[in-house]
Amino acid sequence: AQTVTQSQPEMSVQEAETVTLSCTYDTSESDYYLFWYKQPPSRQMILVIRQEAYKQQNATENRFSVNFQKAAKSFSLKISDSQLGDAAMYFCAYRSANQGGSEKLVFGKGTKLTVNP
Amino acid sequence: DAGVTQSPTHLIKTRGQQVTLRCSPKSGHDTVSWYQQALGQGPQFIFQYYEEEERQRGNFPDRFSGHQFPNYSSELNVNALLLGDSALYLCASSLYGLQPQHFGDGTRLSIL
Repeated sequence: AQTVTQSQPEMSVQEAETVTLSCTYDTSESDYYLFWYKQPPSRQMILVIRQEAYKQQNATENRFSVNFQKAAKSFSLKISDSQLGDAAMYFCAYRSANQGGSEKLVFGKGTKLTVNP
Repeated sequence: DAGVTQSPTHLIKTRGQQVTLRCSPKSGHDTVSWYQQALGQGPQFIFQYYEEEERQRGNFPDRFSGHQFPNYSSELNVNALLLGDSALYLCASSLYGLQPQHFGDGTRLSIL
């Protein structure tokens, strides 16, 4: 079974600074997807960024980028120019690409990000 | 374009009761998945519905059951409620086999 580990329960960053959230995962599969989701106090889980395992190029979405190290099974999220609205719980998630139509996401326990003004 | 909608927002039940939670997927989506998120934890996959059938199930007992209707909406039923069932229940929808999943705001279930 796949597992996702987020070793940082809490992180804080100054507004306009850069912060990196860590995620490692364990799988025997070669084809899969990785995601970072943001969950503000409003509870809705919002997709931040996704990465396909077969792509060597790291995904980027505006101020959000990932460092995907497939051999090390590491998938960190970098937030540049942090804004107050970035404060939330961040979850790393894994999805197999080998289970034909499976939507099952395996989540880590999350990292609570605080942004200080 | 309406996103994923869940009802009710918050529900309080007592041990042993039964509960039904509802989810309407995002327009154009045909697959619904349900997750349980205990306080301070990441969501745990309960099951997935497509074409009105349960396609995949996580490690949850048979007390958890579901249904998908022809209009793609879905229900999550939990019987014989336990204190440990207190959690945020999230519904996510997608187009079958494609990502990403879109999540609703969840239903907060409290068991007294």
